[in-house]
Amino acid sequence: DTEVTQTPKHLVMGMTNKKSLKCEQHMGHRAMYWYKQKAKKPPELMFVYSYEKLSINESVPSRFSPECPNSSLLNLHLHALQPEDSALYLCASSQGSSGQKNEKLFFGSGTQLSVL
Amino acid sequence: GNSVTQMEGPVTLSEEAFLTINCTYTATGYPSLFWYVQYPGEGLQLLLKATKADDKGSNKGFEATYRKETTSFHLEKGSVQVSDSAVYFCALMRAGNQFYFGTGTSLTVIP
Repeated sequence: DTEVTQTPKHLVMGMTNKKSLKCEQHMGHRAMYWYKQKAKKPPELMFVYSYEKLSINESVPSRFSPECPNSSLLNLHLHALQPEDSALYLCASSQGSSGQKNEKLFFGSGTQLSVL
Repeated sequence: GNSVTQMEGPVTLSEEAFLTINCTYTATGYPSLFWYVQYPGEGLQLLLKATKADDKGSNKGFEATYRKETTSFHLEKGSVQVSDSAVYFCALMRAGNQFYFGTGTSLTVIP
């Protein structure tokens, strides 16, 4: 199994809603990532979890709250979002061997989020 | 700092034409370099990678060579197909599993 699975594929939410994005991988990877991608732009790193601990937070607003319940799962909890937060949210994973040359990112298909 | 610069797009080619997408990088040390491809409505897929100077990554007819002297990792394909239409991202990885992406180059191949 070389897949990163994200659910839901599409999500529409109001600015007062609370929702969660989910990501799952069964490749034994120990690093998991959240990226945000606006149309016609590159992915922007939001968070990195390494061995289930948050290792990088790229100054993301607190209305985005990541959670890593175990080594296979990664969630992104959303609350009080703004319309400008509408984007494709991509989850990725990698082996997690820092500095190892065989590291590479495996991406999920993303959740297309629209905030009304 | 660490950064990746890609040629501006969009690029439009006829089927069977030769493709080059330029990528240069700025990094301390010896990063690993990648090309990722994104088809409409999907996540990014690894196309090829190279981990040290003079390495050549190749996959599906695409090639890129890690050139330390010019800090480049240009993507090439000898004969493109309509199915190659996608957005291509150059990326580098530094220690701590930090990946940096270029701005992406949109490729359209017309029959």
